[in-house]
Amino acid sequence: DQQVKQNSPSLSVQEGRISILNCDYTNSMFDYFLWYKKYPAEGPTFLISISSIKDKNEDGRFTVFLNKSAKHLSLHIVPSQPGDSAVYFCAASEYSGGGADGLTFGKGTHLIIQP
Amino acid sequence: GAGVSQSPRYKVAKRGQDVALRCDPISGHVSLFWYQQALGQGPEFLTYFQNEAQLDKSGLPSDRFFAERPEGSVSTLKIQRTQQEDSAVYLCASSLYNEREVQETQYFGPGTRLLVL
Repeated sequence: DQQVKQNSPSLSVQEGRISILNCDYTNSMFDYFLWYKKYPAEGPTFLISISSIKDKNEDGRFTVFLNKSAKHLSLHIVPSQPGDSAVYFCAASEYSGGGADGLTFGKGTHLIIQP
Repeated sequence: GAGVSQSPRYKVAKRGQDVALRCDPISGHVSLFWYQQALGQGPEFLTYFQNEAQLDKSGLPSDRFFAERPEGSVSTLKIQRTQQEDSAVYLCASSLYNEREVQETQYFGPGTRLLVL
């Protein structure tokens, strides 16, 4: 049973427009959420994160929104640029204290920015 | 500064062969994680170290998988008697540890792509 779901395998957006990537989760114990970006043959690169005590976090062109009641988060990229074309992974963790925790990932969404 | 490095980047093994995959975490990072990423899937957690202590190995798929970090820095993931279903990208990540009970970001290496024939 997938605990983190990214239901759109791919998304095509025109350069300059807003890209919105969605993620749903089922485990109500998750309290920390992250977005990673991945280019082919490279490891995932950290983009932005959000704690469950917040509903929004912004960093430059990237904003993550968290709706705990709906168990839904989204990543907004404004404006979209050609270099944003990559696979985006949503990840979550349940902090159990006393150290760190493995992340649970979605399957990813392939974002394609069209000129 | 230097990021997480992994070697080899690519490994082809014959079914039944043993393999060892190496991870060099970011200097000073206490926490180290291994993940397995199958084709078309997201990474899946395998195991976690805090310094040399393996605190969580709940994600290791079978007793053929073994990980160690004897001196609290470099880690090795060993797979014995490899099977075709072990073919995947193996990712290593590291993070700082703090006592404030705040999550630290995990930084990933480029991965080792393992193909078992």
